[in-house]
Amino acid sequence: GAGVSQTPSNKVTEKGKYVELRCDPISGHTALYWYRQSLGQGPEFLIYFQGTGAADDSGLPNDRFFAVRPEGSVSTLKIQRTERGDSAVYLCASSLVDSSGANVLTFGAGSRLTVL
Amino acid sequence: AQKVTQAQTEISVVEKEDVTLDCVYETRDTTYYLFWYKQPPSGELVFLIRRNSFDEQNEISGRYSWNFQKSTSSFNFTITASQVVDSAVYFCALSEALVGNEKLTFGTGTRLTIIP
Repeated sequence: GAGVSQTPSNKVTEKGKYVELRCDPISGHTALYWYRQSLGQGPEFLIYFQGTGAADDSGLPNDRFFAVRPEGSVSTLKIQRTERGDSAVYLCASSLVDSSGANVLTFGAGSRLTVL
Repeated sequence: AQKVTQAQTEISVVEKEDVTLDCVYETRDTTYYLFWYKQPPSGELVFLIRRNSFDEQNEISGRYSWNFQKSTSSFNFTITASQVVDSAVYFCALSEALVGNEKLTFGTGTRLTIIP
C-alpha cells in the first residue's frame, strides 16, 4: 500500500479482555516496528521485526504483550488480560533496509486503545 | 542508556515569527543518528530530518533549519516565518547507528501553536 495501515483506529475494551492490533506495512519494507505512545509522552519502542523474526523485543513491558509477523509483512500486536495502564496509542512503523545503515521509519496513524 | 530531553513542553508564537525548538540528548555511542518528527493533530508521525553524528553541518530546508552542536549534545530545530500549518507536536529522537535497526528513543515532545 501507499502507507502504513493500522486497524482498528480505535479500540475500547474492558479490563481483562484480549486485544489484537494489526499493522499492514508499506509493500516491500522488510523492517517493522511497534511503538507505544501514552498521553503527553513520546513514543516508546516495543518490538522490532526484520522479516518474520523479532530481532529486538526488549521494549515489551511484560509477558502479556506479544507480537507476530508470520509471513514477513502484516504484523499483529496481541495484548492479553488488558489493564487500564495499557491505554495508549500503539504506533506501527516500517522501513526498507539499505546499505546506508540507518533508515527512515514511516509511521502509521496508530491504534488508540482504551481499557475501561 | 540513551535519553532525549525536550525541555519546552509548549510554545505559542504569532504567525510569521521565528521559533526554535530545543533538543538535548545523551548517549554513550560514538556513532548515532538524530531525528526530528512532526505529529499533527491527525496523529501520524511525519519524518522531517535525520542527521548522522559525524555530520555537524547545519541544514536548511525551506523554512526549516537544524543546528547540530556535538559539543553541547544539542540538535535544535528552527522554523522561520512560522505558519498556522506548523502547529503540531514536534519530537526529537535518537538511535544507535546499527544497520537496519531504527530503534528510536524519543523526547517527550514540544507542542507548538502558531497563532494567526
